[in-house]
Amino acid sequence: SQTIHQWPATLVQPVGSPLSLECTVEGTSNPNLYWYRQAAGRGLQLLFYSVGIGQISSEVPQNLSASRPQDRQFILSSKKLLLSDSGFYLCAWRSRGRIYGYTFGSGTRLTVV
Amino acid sequence: QQQVKQSPQSLIVQKGGISIINCAYENTAFDYFPWYQQFPGKGPALLIAIRPDVSEKKEGRFTISFNKSAKQFSLHIMDSQPGDSATYFCAASINDYKLSFGAGTTVTVRA
Repeated sequence: SQTIHQWPATLVQPVGSPLSLECTVEGTSNPNLYWYRQAAGRGLQLLFYSVGIGQISSEVPQNLSASRPQDRQFILSSKKLLLSDSGFYLCAWRSRGRIYGYTFGSGTRLTVV
Repeated sequence: QQQVKQSPQSLIVQKGGISIINCAYENTAFDYFPWYQQFPGKGPALLIAIRPDVSEKKEGRFTISFNKSAKQFSLHIMDSQPGDSATYFCAASINDYKLSFGAGTTVTVRA
């Protein structure tokens, strides 16, 4: 069965520090991968998506970047965090087969202080 | 710019009542409309989805109604239970490629 792992679950980082969030998917190959951010009391904002290794599309210009070094690994990074980067970050994958629907990870709660 | 507008922001319903959440969209190219359920501290989970070639889809106590001409769709939760208390998101996409989410509705079911 397919599973998605996302870590860490919670993170408190000072302003100006770097960030690295990792997401891995098991049980599938060549998935579409996505990073979403959810601000408190708001909807989900698509940040990045990837259809393959090294292929990253950015939806919103910001202080973050993403990379996909392996087929089932997706990384969200920042060189210098801002207060506005605080939020709930969610990784998701979608099968390219006939089964529709995203599967989300359990999320990372990032607080920038 | 939010491509899917969701209302209400929150609602409270008595156990056994009906919860109704509405969404509207503008992009007529959207062809996939899922609903996600999210519990606090967890990622959203797919609840039910519909394509515009049908006007209604029912799965258990959850029903999606779709009005293509009005570009609106809604989620009905029948016989609401305390375990249904969660945040619900509607979404839309073209071929389930990049989901655009509504702002979410927090549903509280009172026993």
